[in-house]
Amino acid sequence: DVKVTQSSRYLVKRTGEKVFLECVQDMDHENMFWYRQDPGLGLRLIYFSYDVKMKEKGDIPEGYSVSREKKERFSLILESASTNQTSMYLCASSFEQGVYSYEQYFGPGTRLTVT
Amino acid sequence: SQQGEEDPQALSIQEGENATMNCSYKTSINNLQWYRQNSGRGLVHLILIRSNEREKHSGRLRVTLDTSKKSSSLLITASRAADTASYFCATERQGAQKLVFGQGTRLTINP
Repeated sequence: DVKVTQSSRYLVKRTGEKVFLECVQDMDHENMFWYRQDPGLGLRLIYFSYDVKMKEKGDIPEGYSVSREKKERFSLILESASTNQTSMYLCASSFEQGVYSYEQYFGPGTRLTVT
Repeated sequence: SQQGEEDPQALSIQEGENATMNCSYKTSINNLQWYRQNSGRGLVHLILIRSNEREKHSGRLRVTLDTSKKSSSLLITASRAADTASYFCATERQGAQKLVFGQGTRLTINP
């Protein structure tokens, strides 16, 4: 079974802190994604990556950066956390073959609270 | 902007009944996917249907896709209490290898 793990289930940080959210997948997937989920807004894509050291902006990249130094690991960085970044953060990965895309496998989520 | 819009936003039925959820979208797609999310957890993939397919089945799940109407439906037959969850449709637009999620349908199965 594909497993996507996230470093923390719950995290509390203070405004202005630098925050690292880690995601690891064990299925050698090419694609990895970071989403945030908020009530009434659904899932919104922050950043995604097709390959090591590659990254693409999603729909809401402002205030975030990412790092993918190894294929299995995709990190989301909040450079200076703000209260409006309080949210559930979900990481996902997927296999890719040519022009065909496949389903995404999600981690359990990290509920981040910024105070 | 949201590509997929689910309808209804919330649905409550009795155990054993069938549940139908709908999804509409606006642009041409490569595929449409349905996911389930139990409260406070990550999403679990249910079914992927490609743009050249019209219907797919998986156990008690049946998904249809009508590209002329830009809509899809998810049918869960013989519902169980364990089906209580939020259900999301997600579309992959042509030329883009990323998904756009709708806001979901909250399904409650009453015993």
